[in-house]
Amino acid sequence: ETGVTQTPRHLVMGMTNKKSLKCEQHLGHNAMYWYKQSAKKPLELMFVYNFKEQTENNSVPSRFSPECPNSSHLFLHLHTLQPEDSALYLCASSQGSGGRGETQYFGPGTRLLVL
Amino acid sequence: AQSVTQPDIHITVSEGASLELRCNYSYGATPYLFWYVQSPGQGLQLLLKYFSGDTLVQGIKGFEAEFKRSQSSFNLRKPSVHWSDAAEYFCAVGAPLGSARQLTFGSGTQLTVLP
Repeated sequence: ETGVTQTPRHLVMGMTNKKSLKCEQHLGHNAMYWYKQSAKKPLELMFVYNFKEQTENNSVPSRFSPECPNSSHLFLHLHTLQPEDSALYLCASSQGSGGRGETQYFGPGTRLLVL
Repeated sequence: AQSVTQPDIHITVSEGASLELRCNYSYGATPYLFWYVQSPGQGLQLLLKYFSGDTLVQGIKGFEAEFKRSQSSFNLRKPSVHWSDAAEYFCAVGAPLGSARQLTFGSGTQLTVLP
């Protein structure tokens, strides 16, 4: 148990649907991250929030919309996705201090299938 | 920009045999290096990390890794593999991202353990 939870664990959606992924961390961290893990590709950083402010958007299409209402919760709103967006979406958190001990802890992921 | 190479896509070892997973990195400054493990359908679990000091780092589950600056390597080792070690292993290098930290991952090494 890493202290980072994600819901739902599995999601199937059509290309016209709107859905949201939720991440919650119980570690008292200030930084939260969304990653995409596709088959046969390295993990891709999508978004970074630090102290609720978005500090990184790694050229992610606008059909992915993140939201961070507080340091413990992170959402990824999905709309009009494409089949190539099917992947495992991982959330992570870290202290957010940028110090030498900065380590990211990951949730179990949401397996997304877009039909 | 930083990068990580894991030359071995897939490794097969017999239970009880020793294991070494290779990782080479490219980074302009002192690297912060990590090894994570991912079991099927799960998120990433931190095995160990290197920030500074002793170049031989001990982690969980009996794993260790050695940082070799001259070779830009951070190889993961285990003296005796157990069947439960079958998983995918990711090496990552961390770089500052404001007051958070960006992880760049390798493509992963899939480990199969034979009985």
